Amino acid sequence: SQTIHQWPATLVQPVGSPLSLECTVEGTSNPNLYWYRQAAGRGLQLLFYSIGIGQISSEVPQNLSASRPQDRQFILSSKKLLLSDSGFYLCAWMGGWTGELFFGEGSRLTVL
Amino acid sequence: DAKTTQPNSMESNEEEPVHLPCNHSTISGTDYIHWYRQLPSQGPEYVIHGLTSNVNNRMASLAIAEDRKSSTLILHRATLRDAAVYYCILRGPIRGSTLGRLYFGRGTQLTVWP
Repeated sequence: SQTIHQWPATLVQPVGSPLSLECTVEGTSNPNLYWYRQAAGRGLQLLFYSIGIGQISSEVPQNLSASRPQDRQFILSSKKLLLSDSGFYLCAWMGGWTGELFFGEGSRLTVL
Repeated sequence: DAKTTQPNSMESNEEEPVHLPCNHSTISGTDYIHWYRQLPSQGPEYVIHGLTSNVNNRMASLAIAEDRKSSTLILHRATLRDAAVYYCILRGPIRGSTLGRLYFGRGTQLTVWP
């Protein structure tokens, strides 16, 4: 069966520090992968999506970037965090014919 | 991306049916209607989806208007564990230009009273 894992689960970082969040999917190949962010009390904002290795599309201009170095690995990064980067970051992959999104456990980032 | 409109919040008593409405007047012919729910501090969970016909699964039923401009998620007997934020989302074709991207709004916060 397919599984998706994110880490770290919780992160507290100072403003201006770098960020790396990792997401790994198991049990499927060549999935569409997505990064979402949810600020406190808000809905989910689509940040990036990827249809394959090295193929990244950005939805919202910001100081975040994403990379997909391997088929089932999706990484969210920042060189310098801002206070507004705080939030709940969710990685997801899309199931085949149903288009169902399967979400990871999430990474909660607090920027101080 | 096509927009959906949902009430900010709804309330229900336990073991009563719940009808969660969603308006999507600008839906295109190839858009699927998806519903997800999100419990606190968790990622969203898929509930159900449909295109034109009403759909049933073990979690809920989806009633789609004949003109597809609105839909209703039906929880037949609400339980305390159904308290969550429910999102109604339109999804374009997976292999089309939209690549099946899902755009979540703020959803409907469902409160279930014992």
